[in-house]
Amino acid sequence: DADVTQTPRNRITKTGKRIMLECSQTKGHDRMYWYRQDPGLGLRLIYYSFDVKDINKGEISDGYSVSRQAQAKFSLSLESAIPNQTALYFCATSDPDRGGTEAFFGQGTRLTVV
Amino acid sequence: AQSVTQLGSHVSVSEGALVLLRCNYSSSVPPYLFWYVQYPNQGLQLLLKYTSAATLVKGINGFEAEFKKSETSFHLTKPSAHMSDAAEYFCAVSEGNTGGFKTIFGAGTRLFVKA
Repeated sequence: DADVTQTPRNRITKTGKRIMLECSQTKGHDRMYWYRQDPGLGLRLIYYSFDVKDINKGEISDGYSVSRQAQAKFSLSLESAIPNQTALYFCATSDPDRGGTEAFFGQGTRLTVV
Repeated sequence: AQSVTQLGSHVSVSEGALVLLRCNYSSSVPPYLFWYVQYPNQGLQLLLKYTSAATLVKGINGFEAEFKKSETSFHLTKPSAHMSDAAEYFCAVSEGNTGGFKTIFGAGTRLFVKA
């Protein structure tokens, strides 16, 4: 089983609909992140969380919200989806307190807003 | 402020040829540097990382990268390309041991390997 699991893997939704992307991890890491990937732009940080009570905006948080339900779960919501939110979304974890500096990624959710 | 520039959005090499993917960074503090690889329909996985120890870093699958402070570069190389190396590669920089929340990714370089 994957250490970082995202559901769904693919989703098509209509403009104006609310949608939630879910992420769960079995790595025991405190820090979790949501990124979006667009061709030619690399990965951009949407939100990050250092623990259940800590939520922070990244560089492109407008139009998104998150919920950290537990150490292992971090959900991303689009309250009213719009076509320019069509992208590949990644959840990631890290734990520098245990000596790790790198991020561990899920397999991604491909979201299409029509 | 940090930034990462990957030179060339696409690189094509023949099987067995040298792979060179270029990355330049800027950082106001000593950086941690990373190369990640993304295979089709998969997430990113770490190839190698520099965290202020040896300047020549060896990673998985025969890749290595050299940190050159004077050139602010962290280019990725592999002596002999294999068909399985075809993927997208991302260079990333973070400000020391901040665990990723200040990790900035480059735009990516897609590597094509010709038979």
